[in-house]
Amino acid sequence: GDSVTQMEGPVTLSEEAFLTINCTYTATGYPSLFWYVQYPGEGLQLLLKATKADDKGSNKGFEATYRKETTSFHLEKGSVQVSDSAVYFCALSDRGGTYKYIFGTGTRLKVLA
Amino acid sequence: DTEVTQTPKHLVMGMTNKKSLKCEQHMGHRAMYWYKQKAKKPPELMFVYSYEKLSINESVPSRFSPECPNSSLLNLHLHALQPEDSALYLCASSQGQGMNNEQFFGPGTRLTVL
Repeated sequence: GDSVTQMEGPVTLSEEAFLTINCTYTATGYPSLFWYVQYPGEGLQLLLKATKADDKGSNKGFEATYRKETTSFHLEKGSVQVSDSAVYFCALSDRGGTYKYIFGTGTRLKVLA
Repeated sequence: DTEVTQTPKHLVMGMTNKKSLKCEQHMGHRAMYWYKQKAKKPPELMFVYSYEKLSINESVPSRFSPECPNSSLLNLHLHALQPEDSALYLCASSQGQGMNNEQFFGPGTRLTVL
């Protein structure tokens, strides 16, 4: 079945450092891909999405490109802030007729001032 | 209005209690979802409603009973829960149950079962 694999966390960075959180997927066909962010004690917020190969999603300085050849959707940000500390989830929308989300395990990011 | 609201924010209940969680959206979305999230884990899908009809039940125990009274409201009725049911319960909605339709999540209800 479809699956999403995220890099293990936690990831600890200093403020203004470059961020990469790896996400790879296994799916039949071409799913839609999403990044969600969850701040402590809150629900999930959509960060960005891409619906077809080579699409780049971007929002609030975060970017991710849908790479069909490497089945990846890595999240990047050029300069992180303390306020970016959160858990980041990669997800795909299953094409198997139900369109359920398949989530990765989540990556906790801690940014130090 | 691009919000999904959930009430209550916190709920403590005993194993013999009956309680309900409520979710509301006014975005005109026709698909609504219940998820359960344990600490340090991703959300796990429980139920999906599409056009007010139950579309997916992920083999959830019958002590959880969903209800969709209209296109804006989703309830989750709880009865005879176990301590292991303690978790964050998240509601979400999307335009429809389609591949490109992103889900919008509410802030969740933190449930503790004693």
